[in-house]
Parts: sequence; C-alpha cells; structure tokens
Amino acid sequence: TQLLEQSPQFLSIQEGENLTVYCNSSSVFSSLQWYRQEPGEGPVLLVTVVTGGEVKKLKRLTFQFGDARKDSSLHITAAQPGDTGLYLCAGGSSIQGAQKLVFGQGTRLTINP
Amino acid sequence: DARVTQTPRDKVTEMGQEVTMRCQPILGHNTVFWYRQTMMQGLELLAYFRNRAPLDDSGMPKDRFSAEMPDATLATLKIQPSEPRDSAVYFCASGGGNYGYTFGSGTRLTVV
Repeated sequence: TQLLEQSPQFLSIQEGENLTVYCNSSSVFSSLQWYRQEPGEGPVLLVTVVTGGEVKKLKRLTFQFGDARKDSSLHITAAQPGDTGLYLCAGGSSIQGAQKLVFGQGTRLTINP
Repeated sequence: DARVTQTPRDKVTEMGQEVTMRCQPILGHNTVFWYRQTMMQGLELLAYFRNRAPLDDSGMPKDRFSAEMPDATLATLKIQPSEPRDSAVYFCASGGGNYGYTFGSGTRLTVV
C-alpha cells in the first residue's frame, strides 16, 4: 500500500512569515500533485510535478519534487490570510493510462492577520 | 468554468436505507474517481473508472457499496444498506487524460 505522510498536520503562523510543508513516502510516484481545500468544497488542484527534482512556482508558492520522486515540498513566502486552508499532496501511479491518486492526510494551515 | 456536479449536496438517512449519490463529470473527461473523506482517515480512494470501465474498486466495501457509470455523463455510487460508519463526505473527481483532476463539491452523508 502506498502511503504519503504530510508534516506538519497543523500550522498556525502570522501574516508575512514563510513556511514549508512536507510530503514524504517510501514509494516512487510518477507524479505528485498538490491541492488546496476550503471548508465545504472539494480539493482544487494547485500544481502537478512529474520529473524528479522539478521545481514549479505559482506566485508566492514554490513546489518541489524530490530527485527520487518519493517526496515533495510546498514553500509559501510571505504568507497571507488568504492562504489559509487544507493543503493536500497526492501521489500518482500510472495505471492503464490513468493516474491513480493516493492522498496524504493534509496540512491545515492558518495564517493570522 | 467547467465543473464536476454532485448531487445531492447533503443527505441524512436512517441506518439500513439505500443511498445513491450521483456525479456528472466534466464533458470530455474520461477518468472518474470516487473518494470518501473523514477527519480520521482523510481522503480514501473508493473506485475509479476510465472510459466508463471500472479500473479499481478495491477501496470499496464490496458487500454494501457499488459504483457504476451507466453513460459518459453520469457516475453513481450506491450504498445498500447504509450504516452509521458510512457517514462522510463523498467526492467525485474527473480528469481528461493529463495529470490534473477536478473535484466536485461533495455529498455530505449522515447515517443515523
């Protein structure tokens, strides 16, 4: 069974601070996706990384896929209250042309004004 | 924006009753997933389909859960009989062959 462990599970910081969320596994994935979920809604895709060592930036968010494609990190610079939410990483395995996704437990991020 | 539509949004039912949840994937998407989310377990994969064919439903309790795609515009998840431990938010997601998936807003199921 493929498992993804996210850390920390909860993080509460002040506006303007930087933070990093980690997603680790002993399994190799063909892709790693990050989602953000608001209360009462489904997860929304932020980014997909597919190459070991790949780095993608989305405004103040930086995503990195580990060289061995077993882990990933999400770094937020100068966090804002609008970044508050549940951040989920999902590892993808290619099965018959589809990416089967296994999710981590999530990191609940709170940015205080 | 294209959306995945799930109905009903909320469902409260008594233990032992049948529950059917419906999902309309984004037109043209050929991969459909069903997930269940609880505070304790997080997001668990129940089943997924590609081109309407089931690829994997090993995450579902087979004796009471069933998932089908009667056509390309409808996916259903049925629980019969329902139990209190089935209380959760059930999400449908669809994808078009690339790596990104779009989730619906979920069906919040409460079994009393």
